[in-house]
Amino acid sequence: RKEVEQDPGPFNVPEGATVAFNCTYSNSASQSFFWYRQDCRKEPKLLMSVYSSGNEDGRFTAQLNRASQYISLLIRDSKLSDSATYLCVVKAGAEYGNKLVFGAGTILRVKS
Amino acid sequence: DGGITQSPKYLFRKEGQNVTLSCEQNLNHDAMYWYRQDPGQGLRLIYYSQIVNDFQKGDIAEGYSVSREKKESFPLTVTSAQKNPTAFYLCATPDRDNYEKLFFGSGTQLSVL
Repeated sequence: RKEVEQDPGPFNVPEGATVAFNCTYSNSASQSFFWYRQDCRKEPKLLMSVYSSGNEDGRFTAQLNRASQYISLLIRDSKLSDSATYLCVVKAGAEYGNKLVFGAGTILRVKS
Repeated sequence: DGGITQSPKYLFRKEGQNVTLSCEQNLNHDAMYWYRQDPGQGLRLIYYSQIVNDFQKGDIAEGYSVSREKKESFPLTVTSAQKNPTAFYLCATPDRDNYEKLFFGSGTQLSVL
């Protein structure tokens, strides 16, 4: 089983749609969680951190469920510019060297 | 304008050849990392350096070598021992105030001729 698993997609949605991605992680000692965005053949960029209480940044909402070991990203009112690959990133605890583990990514395509 | 720069953008390697990927940063950061990205897989850590003149193997160091003679530079050499070098290589440095947040260079696509 992979340490961090994501549905690869692609998710094909029309502009204005709401779309949600899930990511599961296997290490219950994981401490920090992030979503990165990566455009095709470009570098990943931090989209948002994921906090235990859930957090929102404009059209983006991130949730964490420690009991079920998954995090989610919700995008409302999708824009064409949201088309990208979304990477789930999990940081293990100090006993695992504070290692960042990257998921393979979920592809989102927003169409007009 | 501070940042992290990788070169070249595209690189081709012949059989048995060593090639070196450049990574330079002017952020005055101590830590630098090299990752490899393959289609359908997450980024995997090759080598990392927490301070100048020191570096550590990551999860997939075999067939690679690095040096950290200067704070701003962390070149990665893909040796002939790396039998499957075709991948997208990313250099990164963590935010000084939050080590969990990474800033990446624009990447180098390495292909085998």
